[in-house]
Amino acid sequence: AQKITQTQPGMFVQEKEAVTLDCTYDTSDPSYGLFWYKQPSSGEMIFLIYQGSYDQQNATEGRYSLNFQKARKSANLVISASQLGDSAMYFCAMRGVASYDKVIFGPGTSLSVIP
Amino acid sequence: DAGVTQSPTHLIKTRGQQVTLRCSPKSGHDTVSWYQQALGQGPQFIFQYYEEEERQRGNFPDRFSGHQFPNYSSELNVNALLLGDSALYLCASSLWDRPAYEQYFGPGTRLTVT
Repeated sequence: AQKITQTQPGMFVQEKEAVTLDCTYDTSDPSYGLFWYKQPSSGEMIFLIYQGSYDQQNATEGRYSLNFQKARKSANLVISASQLGDSAMYFCAMRGVASYDKVIFGPGTSLSVIP
Repeated sequence: DAGVTQSPTHLIKTRGQQVTLRCSPKSGHDTVSWYQQALGQGPQFIFQYYEEEERQRGNFPDRFSGHQFPNYSSELNVNALLLGDSALYLCASSLWDRPAYEQYFGPGTRLTVT
């Protein structure tokens, strides 16, 4: 069965500093995709970054990068130069590559950016 | 380009009642998935619709049912509401033939069962 683990219930970071949010996963699928979403207090789930299991390079999107270590089954999110608006819940998620595959979410990490 | 829209935004129902939530996918998307997010938890997959058929289902009882219309919009129905059904219900849309690509979420419907 697929599973996502996020071991940090809450994190604090100083404004302008970088922060790493941990994510480990478990799957027996040979191909899969890994996602990170941001959920502010308003509730909307905002897509941040995607990494395919066979992608050779780590994904980057602006201030977000995904540190993908396939052998260790980890997909940590790195946010550089934190901003106050980054304060939110962050969810790591995974799905297989078949059209019908469902997305499995982790329990989330609450990030607070301190001025 | 309109994103994913959901209605209503908030809803209060009594135990035993029935509720219908609505979702319109992002323009050009043909697949709709529904998720339940209890307070303090990650979203849990309910089911997915494509070509007006349920394609995949999570571990939810038959009280949860859905429908997809020819214009790709979708409804989630919950019968015999329980207190534990109180949650944020998220709709997400995607393209069926690009399964590993990102899916876009709507703002959610917050359901409170009293």
